[in-house]
Amino acid sequence: GIQVEQSPPDLILQEGANSTLRCNFSDSVNNLQWFHQNPWGQLINLFYIPSGTKQNGRLSATTVATERYSLLYISSSQTTDSGVYFCAVDASNYQLIWGAGTKLIIKP
Amino acid sequence: NAGVTQTPKFRILKIGQSMTLQCTQDMNHNYMYWYRQDPGMGLKLIYYSVGAGITDKGEVPNGYNVSRSTTEDFPLRLELAAPSQTSVYFCASSSPDYGYTFGSGTRLTVV
Repeated sequence: GIQVEQSPPDLILQEGANSTLRCNFSDSVNNLQWFHQNPWGQLINLFYIPSGTKQNGRLSATTVATERYSLLYISSSQTTDSGVYFCAVDASNYQLIWGAGTKLIIKP
Repeated sequence: NAGVTQTPKFRILKIGQSMTLQCTQDMNHNYMYWYRQDPGMGLKLIYYSVGAGITDKGEVPNGYNVSRSTTEDFPLRLELAAPSQTSVYFCASSSPDYGYTFGSGTRLTVV
């Protein structure tokens, strides 16, 4: 089956720093999503991005489907950005295949 | 537009009790899902539905049942609760255009 790998597994930054999170996937996928799970456990849909680039405020994402990777950029980090960032790919059988996540801690 | 609504948010069950976790979406999505997330782990698919009247098992269906009588509602039934079912449960719906939307979760403890 499809494998999804995220890096780095952990990231600790000072407030105001920029970061790049990476998601590699092993086969062609229908779609890719980035989620943020905040410290209270809520799962927030950040981007639905099978290919190309999207931006939403301080966050942007790029997926290069032909090379099987996606990048999530966070600029000018804030403490509220802390949490776990998941990449998930949509396989052909109605199931999301999840990466293990990147745990991000933003220090004030 | 409320998205995906789950109730209750928290629940404590005794071993052997039963309960139903409710999930409702108002986005007219055909696809709906139930996931569980154990502490420090990713999400595992319990059951999914591709439309009213159609359900299928996911990765970890044992101990659970679902029904889908309407497009909006997708309840998850736990029969004979066991400590191994202590987890956070997420309901989600999806569409081809907008991807997946998750509910806020139900934190269940079985004691």
